[in-house]
Amino acid sequence: QLRESGPRLVTPAETLSLSCHVSGDSVTGSGNYWGWVRQSPGRGLEWIGSLYYRGKMYYNSSLSSRLTLSTRTSGNQLALSLTSVTAADTAIYYCAAYTLGGTVYGPDDRNYFDSWGRGILVTVSS
Amino acid sequence: VLTQPPSVSVAPGQTATITCGDNNIGSKRVHWYQQRPGQAPVLVFLDDFHRPAGFPERFSGSRSGDTATLTISRVEAGDEADYYCQVWDSTSDQSVFGSGTQFTVL
Repeated sequence: QLRESGPRLVTPAETLSLSCHVSGDSVTGSGNYWGWVRQSPGRGLEWIGSLYYRGKMYYNSSLSSRLTLSTRTSGNQLALSLTSVTAADTAIYYCAAYTLGGTVYGPDDRNYFDSWGRGILVTVSS
Repeated sequence: VLTQPPSVSVAPGQTATITCGDNNIGSKRVHWYQQRPGQAPVLVFLDDFHRPAGFPERFSGSRSGDTATLTISRVEAGDEADYYCQVWDSTSDQSVFGSGTQFTVL
């Protein structure tokens, strides 16, 4: 189970910071990988990034200069940090995961998300 | 870029097809998600041909050339949703979602 949390209103040029509390699986386990996906109002899904075993991370190239994804073993959480936000970063942010088991060797092996959080709407506005 | 038709409409009981095309789709495995209004996406088909456990057999996937297709048989009102395809591009190490298809049951 995944649950996103964080501020719902962020000032332009500031940093957007979100957490995703994970229950039922370890964020550092070899049988899972994690991701973030966002959806601007009325728009389609946009992949933000994915985190695989042993800290291997993949970022959307259009966001990579502003983006940091991480895991926090304390609290079994995922974290997203997006700096220098603008109105274009206003979106529902979803935490997502692979939880179907087995050892995952990387995104060429498996790269879909079978479990999603409910999402959190973050608005960038002054 | 994964191209999907913006909208597809089908009457109840009929069969619907939603396509996902890309010039370089090649050997990439395609996954499909269903997103009902106000809800998070749900994985409905993975790796081109596989249905998640417990998901209706009315949903099936196929490939032909550079196009992947999600087929919904015996369409029901509850199937109405947006559908997205997704692939992993190992050349750029990026995950890509299709543009999305709004599926309407007439």
